[in-house]
Amino acid sequence: GAGVSQSPSNKVTEKGKDVELRCDPISGHTALYWYRQRLGQGLEFLIYFQGNSAPDKSGLPSDRFSAERTGESVSTLTIQRTQQEDSAVYLCASSFVQGVKNIQYFGAGTRLSVL
Amino acid sequence: QKEVEQNSGPLSVPEGAIASLNCTYSDRGSQSFFWYRQYSGKSPELIMFIYSNGDKEDGRFTAQLNKASQYVSLLIRDSQPSDSATYLCAVNMGRRSYGKLTFGQGTILTVHP
Repeated sequence: GAGVSQSPSNKVTEKGKDVELRCDPISGHTALYWYRQRLGQGLEFLIYFQGNSAPDKSGLPSDRFSAERTGESVSTLTIQRTQQEDSAVYLCASSFVQGVKNIQYFGAGTRLSVL
Repeated sequence: QKEVEQNSGPLSVPEGAIASLNCTYSDRGSQSFFWYRQYSGKSPELIMFIYSNGDKEDGRFTAQLNKASQYVSLLIRDSQPSDSATYLCAVNMGRRSYGKLTFGQGTILTVHP
């Protein structure tokens, strides 16, 4: 597709349930990123995939959070046993890394509400 | 000290004025710098990027980088109400975190008619 696609756009779930969020990056982009943005806050880095390298998971807030990416395509972010504090917009971005020129393009995000 | 710091604002300027948005960063090895605009309820979109000291101009926008002072700014000339948004500064800290951007908290800009 022309841009980064995320699904679902909105997700309402009950506390304790697992959720899966999906990101389809721009074709040809080698790098993929997940961020979390709480209401009125900045972007909080979660995880970064670059080609076949081991992902940078340094931003994952707890072991309830995990993410996978198959090759240079779709990624899924899974949150297990959701908590109310997980309510936020989850943003995915992709880029074609060329040295210092690493422009990230964002999807529209998934708004997660945990009741 | 936060790795990337911005004044959260809100910054209010009249239509037609110059809006000046500032950002400081902690890692002296940082290599590239980005300004994103985020409208309420929308995802961030790239406005400017810069990686050399000095100024870079694109239309009404000018990015200024001073690596010695670890400071990057965004000037918006002839501000319009449509420029009202949150502006996010993002930094690629280079060798420490190749490819990863660290974002500031964002500055809310309001341009009033």
